[in-house]
Amino acid sequence: KAGVTQTPRYLIKTRGQQVTLSCSPISGHRSVSWYQQTPGQGLQFLFEYFSETQRNKGNFPGRFSGRQFSNSRSEMNVSTLELGDSALYLCASSWTGTENYEQYFGPGTRLTVT
Amino acid sequence: GNSVTQMEGPVTLSEEAFLTINCTYTATGYPSLFWYVQYPGEGLQLLLKATKADDKGSNKGFEATYRKETTSFHLEKGSVQVSDSAVYFCALFDQTGANNLFFGTGTRLTVIP
Repeated sequence: KAGVTQTPRYLIKTRGQQVTLSCSPISGHRSVSWYQQTPGQGLQFLFEYFSETQRNKGNFPGRFSGRQFSNSRSEMNVSTLELGDSALYLCASSWTGTENYEQYFGPGTRLTVT
Repeated sequence: GNSVTQMEGPVTLSEEAFLTINCTYTATGYPSLFWYVQYPGEGLQLLLKATKADDKGSNKGFEATYRKETTSFHLEKGSVQVSDSAVYFCALFDQTGANNLFFGTGTRLTVIP
């Protein structure tokens, strides 16, 4: 069974631009969560989607948004990029996200903002 | 609220040494506890989990026991290998609260031959 895939793996953007990251969950998984990983803040939860609805949201500004499609694939978007948005963005999927919450992570997208 | 406090690193051990990485937690409900491992350039892999008090999770020679009385979930391995070099994250999921994982800061382990 294929794992969680994320595209692109690496991205370089300029301050003020916007970016879209993509995540394909494991087949059959309906919950997709996004996390930001930085050396200073560690792993921080961004948001979770289930059946195309945002079910849970972390403490990030409105510049960070996401969506989920009917096939459970998810995208996250960051508008008006700032230098501090440079991070590894991890996507994780699970069956429903509510039972023991065993999540499976993708390899991440490394975003560099210059 | 929910939080995870993890032993500061980095930790450097010789091959075949005993490993302990401490993890304590604070939770509003009855959390499930996890250890994840991140190898260089990769995402997180679930290493082991425990879903209720006194449960022991184990995988690949690693073990951790869910201790409710001490709110701890320490990771142990009797004999580490060079291939165990990675960053280890302790995490909790509280089903009665926010529907997401709370992670510790991570502990970098380096095993030298």
